[in-house]
Order: sequence, then C-alpha cells, then structure tokens
Amino acid sequence: QVQLQESGPGLVKPSETLSLTCTVSGGMNSDSYYWNWIRQHPGKGLEWIGYISYSGSTFYNPSLKSRVTMLIDKSKNQFSLKLSSVTAADTAVYYCANIRVGSTVESWGQGTLVTVSS
Amino acid sequence: DIQMTQSPSSLSASVGDRVTITCRASQTIADHLAWFQQKPGKIPELLIYSGSILHSGAPSRFSGSRSGTDFTLTISSLQPEDVATYYCQKYNIAPFTFGPGTKVELK
Repeated sequence: QVQLQESGPGLVKPSETLSLTCTVSGGMNSDSYYWNWIRQHPGKGLEWIGYISYSGSTFYNPSLKSRVTMLIDKSKNQFSLKLSSVTAADTAVYYCANIRVGSTVESWGQGTLVTVSS
Repeated sequence: DIQMTQSPSSLSASVGDRVTITCRASQTIADHLAWFQQKPGKIPELLIYSGSILHSGAPSRFSGSRSGTDFTLTISSLQPEDVATYYCQKYNIAPFTFGPGTKVELK
C-alpha cells in the first residue's frame, strides 16, 4: 500500500486560492487508481472533492467544480488541489486518498487542517 | 447525481446491543458500496466493501447486507471501542459520494 502525505498552508485568506499537495510514497504510475481529495468540515461529514488519474483525467464534485483544479506531477509523485475564491465555509480538514478503479479508498493521508480567515 | 442518505443520524445503545445502520442510494449502484468507521480525530477506516465483504482486519461483529438500493451495516454486539461515526460511500462511478454519517454513542 502507498502512503500519502498532505502539505500546504494551514491558513488562507478569504477570496484567495487554497493550494495543497499530496506526496505519494510507493508509486503512483498506474491508471489502476484515482488520486482523490476529500474534506471534512469541523464536526461534520466527509465530502468528496474530486480525483485526478495518472493520465491526467479529472472528475470534480459538481458542487465545487467551478472552483477546483487538480494537477499531477509524475516526476515528483505528487498531485495537487487548488480551490479558488475561498470563504470561511471552506475551512476543513483536507485529506488526500487513493481509490482503486472499481473499488473504494485504499489509503488516506493524515489530513491537514486549512482555516480560511483574514 | 446519485444521492446517499443514512438513518438514523445518531443512535445511543448499550454494550452488547445489536446495532443497525441503513444507507440508501437514490439510484442503483449495484453492490458498489463501502462502510467506513471514523473515530474522533482519526482518519476513516474501511469496514465493509462490495456491500457485504468484511475488510481484512475489521472485527467480525461488523457485517453488511444489501437489498436493492438499501444497504445495512450491522454491529452484532456493540463494544465500547465501536463508539464512532459511520459513513457509507458509493463507488460505482464518480462522484464518489459519502453518506451524511451515523454517530453511535453508548447509553
């Protein structure tokens, strides 16, 4: 199983862009997996944000689609999340995770709390 | 998009009780449903996949079943360490939506 680790700023100002990176240990060079971002608002449930495949295809949650961009950097075994025009409602723990095609989540990162505040 | 609902949203039960949580998909997802357990401050852990297959390492008191678009997670004998929030997730096709969760507490 791979290991995933999120990194990025823990504090973002309103209206700015949240940027997070997930570093994958153990390899990601396969189209057998989707590379995902999932978030959890404080004290609330899990919200799937979207995925990017190794070939670069993406699928975003329709509720966030207009503000989300995911990219993959194969040379660094990393994928990233950009969420634009953030508000306090985007304050959450952000997890990266891999999902095997046709199956469910195999591995989760530890999660990183991002707070949107001026 | 397919919507996922869960009931109840919370429950309180005694040690040794049989606990049942239901997840309903708004359209067919075949058996492409997983159940996760999340304890406070921890990452979610997979319990059940394909609707009824127990994940390696998950306690055998957990079981899952399916009837059409209704899925059930059962804890046969509730233990103190089962206090957690339980989520279902569909994974037939994206979006890989989670249910809203069921919080299980001890009475």
